[in-house]
Amino acid sequence: GNSVTQMEGPVTLSEEAFLTINCTYTATGYPSLFWYVQYPGEGLQLLLKATKADDKGSNKGFEATYRKETTSFHLEKGSVQVSDSAVYFCALSAYTGTASKLTFGTGTRLQVTL
Amino acid sequence: EAGVVQSPRYKIIEKKQPVAFWCNPISGHNTLYWYRQNLGQGPELLIRYENEEAVDDSQLPKDRFSAERLKGVDSTLKIQPAELGDSAVYLCASSPTADTQYFGPGTRLTVL
Repeated sequence: GNSVTQMEGPVTLSEEAFLTINCTYTATGYPSLFWYVQYPGEGLQLLLKATKADDKGSNKGFEATYRKETTSFHLEKGSVQVSDSAVYFCALSAYTGTASKLTFGTGTRLQVTL
Repeated sequence: EAGVVQSPRYKIIEKKQPVAFWCNPISGHNTLYWYRQNLGQGPELLIRYENEEAVDDSQLPKDRFSAERLKGVDSTLKIQPAELGDSAVYLCASSPTADTQYFGPGTRLTVL
């Protein structure tokens, strides 16, 4: 079946540091890939997505590239801010008929300090 | 545009009691999902609706969980009776197409 593996957290960084959160996946076919972010006490917000190999999703300074050869979708940001502190979920979407079924990783907590 | 609305945001009940959660999806979104998110985990799908039809309920514990979406718009998820292990955040999501899902803020359930 489909699965997503993320690096375990928490990841603790100083403000303005470079961020990488690793994500690899196992899936049949050609899934779409997503990063969602969950701030404390809130639901999941879509951060970025990529729908085919070599696509790069980007939003709010975050980027991730769909790498089919390594089945990876690593999240990066060049300079993190304290406001980026949250839990980040990698997910893949398997198309089943008329809608998608999301499979999530376990999440990676990011803590950014001054 | 209003997002996915869920209520209540928090619920505390004693075990064996019933509980219900309500979700109103984004206007025009035909597909509605209910997920359960255990502490420290990613969300797991419970049920998916296409309009008023439940097209994937394979992960819904049918002995105690039920859901409905009678008019193809808002939806209710019910647990009766609740058990200690049901403590989690219950998330509702909707999507306009076959791809991107938009999530509500969730209902945090605590069963004592």
